[in-house]
Amino acid sequence: KAGVTQTPRYLIKTRGQQVTLSCSPISGHRSVSWYQQTPGQGLQFLFEYFSETQRNKGNFPGRFSGRQFSNSRSEMNVSTLELGDSALYLCASSRDRTHTDTQYFGPGTRLTVL
Amino acid sequence: GQNIDQPTEMTATEGAIVQINCTYQTSGFNGLFWYQQHAGEAPTFLSYNVLDGLEEKGRFSSFLSRSKGYSYLLLKELQMKDSASYLCAAFNQAGTALIFGKGTTLSVSS
Repeated sequence: KAGVTQTPRYLIKTRGQQVTLSCSPISGHRSVSWYQQTPGQGLQFLFEYFSETQRNKGNFPGRFSGRQFSNSRSEMNVSTLELGDSALYLCASSRDRTHTDTQYFGPGTRLTVL
Repeated sequence: GQNIDQPTEMTATEGAIVQINCTYQTSGFNGLFWYQQHAGEAPTFLSYNVLDGLEEKGRFSSFLSRSKGYSYLLLKELQMKDSASYLCAAFNQAGTALIFGKGTTLSVSS
């Protein structure tokens, strides 16, 4: 079974631009979560989607948004990029919405904002 | 609220045993996860504990005490490839978001 895939793997943008990142979950997984990882803050939860609905959102400004499609693929968008948005963005998928479901991570998108 | 604490760094030698501790404070407990993350790679699932006690999986074991808000990951017969960051994580009360500790960087030397 193929794992979680994320595209692109690397991205360089400048301040003020916007970016869209894509995540394809493991086949059959309906829940997709997004995380931001930085050396200083570690892994921080951005949001989680299940059946095209955002169920939970972390403590990030409204510049961070996302969506999920009917095939469970998900995208996240960051508008008006700031230098501090430079990070590894990870998505994780799980089968269902119960708390016992293990989340499996994709390889991440490394975003650099100049 | 939720808070997860683990040591920042640990060092050990090949063949040794190391215990990585994690303490958590959650407003509802739905299980505790351990992930391993090699530099530049995605976190990979190691273990999940929801009941008290020790879960053993080969060289890796994970322990949970819900009454103490405490877990540890035990790595035996350390190998150089075990050098990585080890992340402790617990679900939020709604069970919809994993809250991670900042990770423990383990360095294994020969």
